[in-house]
Parts: sequence; C-alpha cells; structure tokens
Amino acid sequence: LAKTTQPISMDSYEGQEVNITCSHNNIATNDYITWYQQFPSQGPRFIIQGYKTKVTNEVASLFIPADRKSSTLSLPRVSLSDTAVYYCLVGEDYGQNFVFGPGTRLSVLP
Amino acid sequence: DTGVSQDPRHKITKRGQNVTFRCDPISEHNRLYWYRQTLGQGPEFLTYFQNEAQLEKSRLLSDRFSAERPKGSFSTLEIQRTEQGDSAMYLCASSVSPGRKGVTGNEQFFGPGTRLTVL
Repeated sequence: LAKTTQPISMDSYEGQEVNITCSHNNIATNDYITWYQQFPSQGPRFIIQGYKTKVTNEVASLFIPADRKSSTLSLPRVSLSDTAVYYCLVGEDYGQNFVFGPGTRLSVLP
Repeated sequence: DTGVSQDPRHKITKRGQNVTFRCDPISEHNRLYWYRQTLGQGPEFLTYFQNEAQLEKSRLLSDRFSAERPKGSFSTLEIQRTEQGDSAMYLCASSVSPGRKGVTGNEQFFGPGTRLTVL
C-alpha cells in the first residue's frame, strides 16, 4: 500500500497558479495517481488521474516524473472558489487500498 | 438523474439505537461505495458493491455495521447499537467499473453525505 505525503495546508492568491506536490516513494508498478477535491459539507469530487508523464483536463494538470515517486497537481489561475481540501491517492482506484489521507487544505485569498 | 443522493442528510440518535441510511447511486453505475469521514480527516473506506455483490469490506469495520444492495441499485447502511464514536459523516459514492461503456478509469461520484450525531 503506497503511502502518500502532501502538505497539510497552502495559501495562494486569486489568479495565481498553484502547485501541490504529493510524495509516494513506494508506488507500485500498476498504481495510478488520482486527485480529488472536497469542499466543506460536500463529498469529494474527482479532479484528475494519471499514470506517467503529464495529464491535462479542463480543470487541472498532473505532472508525474519518470520515477513516479512524486506527482504535482497544478491548478492554473485559481479563484476563491478553489478553496478546498485536495487529496492525492495512489493505488487501485477503488476498495480499501484506495486511501484518502488528510489532504492539503488550500486557501485562496483575494 | 443529477447525481448520487443520500437520505437522510442529518440524523441524531441516542447511544444504543440502530440507524439506517440510504444511498441512491447514479443510474447505470454498477459500483457503489460507503465511506466514513470525521472532522479534519479524509474519507475512510467502509465497503463496496459491484452490482448486488458486496466485494470488499474494511478490515477495521465493526460487525455492528452492515450494508446491502439487494437489487444492485440503491444501498442501505445500518449501524446497530450506535456508539458516540460512530458520529461522523457517512458518504456514498458510485462509479462505472472500468471496461464498461468504454470507461477506462474508476472515477467515483460522491453524494452529499449523511451526518450522524450519536448522543
């Protein structure tokens, strides 16, 4: 079971790019890297998933170096509404090995 | 169908009582998951179903917890003899298993949760 480490909290300002890095030193060959976002009093929401290199969608980009021991979620030009907790998960994307840690609490300031 | 729904949204009960929560997944989602979340922590996996079959349960799950998905559609989670430590947000999620309908990942769609308070 790959353990992940990410910052507990981050602050940013509106319009800036935010990069949240997640460490997963013991990632297994078949493991995916998945990020979820959670607003207060709501369930988490899928943001992006990747296996290697770079993945981009309409919300974010995910950068994964060749050794896959870390990954970086990049949020372009954040707004106040991006204030949330962001979770990095590694492994099969379901079941008891799909483990949410405490996440990174991002605060976007005006 | 606009998403996963859960009922009730809030439940207050006394210690020792039984409670039951319901989850209605997105139509045609064959996988359904239950999680528990306490303040400041990420969701903790409880169990999941593929169609009506319960395929996995958390090793840490007390036998006071039971879940069903009798017809492969909605699911119920029952907690018997509730304890104050059961107070939490109970989240349900659903997904389409990879390989079905051209799906490659296993994006889970979460409901709004049921907040349980045990007095």
